Amino acid sequence: QSVLTQPPSASGTPGQRITISCSGSGPNIGRNWVHWYQQVPGSAPQLLIHSNIQRPSGVPDRFSGSKSGSSASLAISGLRSEDEGDYYCAAWDDRISSVVFGGGTKVTVL
Amino acid sequence: EVRMVESGGKAVRPGGSLRLSCEASGFIFDDYAMSWVRQVPGKGLEWVAGINWNGGNTGAAPSVKNRFIISRDNARNSVYLDMGSLRVEDTALYYCCRMGGTHIYGSGFDFWGQGTLVTVSS
Repeated sequence: QSVLTQPPSASGTPGQRITISCSGSGPNIGRNWVHWYQQVPGSAPQLLIHSNIQRPSGVPDRFSGSKSGSSASLAISGLRSEDEGDYYCAAWDDRISSVVFGGGTKVTVL
Repeated sequence: EVRMVESGGKAVRPGGSLRLSCEASGFIFDDYAMSWVRQVPGKGLEWVAGINWNGGNTGAAPSVKNRFIISRDNARNSVYLDMGSLRVEDTALYYCCRMGGTHIYGSGFDFWGQGTLVTVSS
């Protein structure tokens, strides 16, 4: 049981826009930055969004993050086949002094 | 180019000990906090432990607290994870990660190694 809650799967057709939610609580998302990671099959995860909304250099602007209260979302617009993989949200949790992850969302491009 | 290379993973018996190492290159090592994150094959990510830029502050997940110790040697651009009282459920791929700032709280993991596999089995 993950501290942060994500839907197990999301899907869309090429060119579509999809969103992935990440639900937490006050001690984690409510008071701290949210970060998102992408893991394509067979590879290590990579940082996709940091500090709620910031994209590292090299990450396409098709990826965007948002946060409201104790929830966050990742949006992927103009969905492409290479976006298939697992997506994880994460945040620091003040109550347990640990980084906590969501369980991950598997994105499929139909 | 930022690079982290993990080593030390192997098969061990329950109750045993192991030291993982991570050698970093391509950046000023003591400008960044570092962490270990693990992943059971086919499952999700779990933060294991983190250490701030000078080693003065560390943290560990409740599941490993009092069993695993993280440390760093800035002269060697290396971070270590000393794992004790190993359990079957510690079996995972262990990634070494650079954090985006000097502290273990707040920053994301902006660069990842390829991981080293630890298998705990009788």
